[in-house]
Amino acid sequence: EAEVAQSPRYKITEKSQAVAFWCDPISGHATLYWYRQILGQGPELLVQFQDESVVDDSQLPKDRFSAERLKGVDSTLKIQPAELGDSAMYLCASSQTGSGDEQFFGPGTRLTVL
Amino acid sequence: AQSVTQLGSHVSVSEGALVLLRCNYSSSVPPYLFWYVQYPNQGLQLLLKYTTGATLVKGINGFEAEFKKSETSFHLTKPSAHMSDAAEYFCAVSDGVGSQGNLIFGKGTKLSVKP
Repeated sequence: EAEVAQSPRYKITEKSQAVAFWCDPISGHATLYWYRQILGQGPELLVQFQDESVVDDSQLPKDRFSAERLKGVDSTLKIQPAELGDSAMYLCASSQTGSGDEQFFGPGTRLTVL
Repeated sequence: AQSVTQLGSHVSVSEGALVLLRCNYSSSVPPYLFWYVQYPNQGLQLLLKYTTGATLVKGINGFEAEFKKSETSFHLTKPSAHMSDAAEYFCAVSDGVGSQGNLIFGKGTKLSVKP
């Protein structure tokens, strides 16, 4: 069964360091999402791609966060510099078209900033 | 703007008892509604979804939910809880067809199942 892959699964870093997360969506899925989930909360959308284009990054803290999906397949989310408040689970999801389709989630990357 | 309210951050039931997890939504357009389950340190798995048509939706693992437009609710139920149902459950809403498909999630309800 096709799955969304994410790496690493766990990341511990010190504040002010740079971190990067990788996501490989289900093959053929045009839409890719990055979510941040703070402990005890629901996921919140950071950025949405349609193929290689960003369609929504209104909630992405652009002073420190960046995301790219250069060839419209896999994607990287970067934080530089990391802050204590960035500690969270970062979830990647994909869907076929993005228009109300089911989103399939990866296992997430648990980030701890010390 | 859309929003989701999940009543009860923590629900505890006995094994074999009815599970009822409550979800109310706010949307200015006909919504698509979803329930996801999350096990510790894992991603989210879709339990069921409502888009159009029949308002009683059946999902995986014996769960079902009923869309009630007049009550703006989409409560999740299961007749008999199993120990394996212990997890966190999230209700979510999107704008539906023609939208970008963005999901707005509730804060989640943690379900505990007692033996």
